[in-house]
Amino acid sequence: SQELEQSPQSLIVQEGKNLTINCTSSKTLYGLYWYKQKYGEGLIFLMMLQKGGEEKSHEKITAKLDEKKQQSSLHITASQPSHAGIYLCGADYGGNKLVFGAGTILRVKS
Amino acid sequence: DGGITQSPKYLFRKEGQNVTLSCEQNLNHDAMYWYRQDPGQGLRLIYYSQIVNDFQKGDIAEGYSVSREKKESFPLTVTSAQKNPTAFYLCASSIVGREGKETQYFGPGTRLLVL
Repeated sequence: SQELEQSPQSLIVQEGKNLTINCTSSKTLYGLYWYKQKYGEGLIFLMMLQKGGEEKSHEKITAKLDEKKQQSSLHITASQPSHAGIYLCGADYGGNKLVFGAGTILRVKS
Repeated sequence: DGGITQSPKYLFRKEGQNVTLSCEQNLNHDAMYWYRQDPGQGLRLIYYSQIVNDFQKGDIAEGYSVSREKKESFPLTVTSAQKNPTAFYLCASSIVGREGKETQYFGPGTRLLVL
């Protein structure tokens, strides 16, 4: 969706390196969801952010919501092969449905 | 074992044929959703249902139909009117969490291929 842009489209990192994925909205966010997907499988819920400045962590994955920029960043510390997959952000614009970004493909080289 | 199941994992459709994808959940969630995922694109909403016997069109409903006769089940039919049905189909259900926001949980998906 053009309302929600994810960057980069794809990313290859060496195992042990840190990385950041961004999700930028062109409209006011009421909530921002992060999911992870292995190819050919369903989405796994990681975390949800709803307040400006909010930061949450799940194992080595941290996500922040910058309300002023209408942007969320997902940061992975000391990446591992298990982190490989597709990361998708989903935006809540106040309705009963989510709008998803195109996803970021992450590959981790060991 | 609570969760969302989708069947079959792979489905083949012949030209002019209708096919039905199954989605079942035993999580007691009220809302259910169908999405389509194409390579390089995010998920696009086909249909969603907030309660039994009620459903709404999403962004790309043309060529699809649904029913919601039971809380646990939300089958999706891909009709012959859908000219480009090859995609990965994902079903989700949602519940309002502790923070007062709905979180969607997804099934494993069904890959539909046209013969």
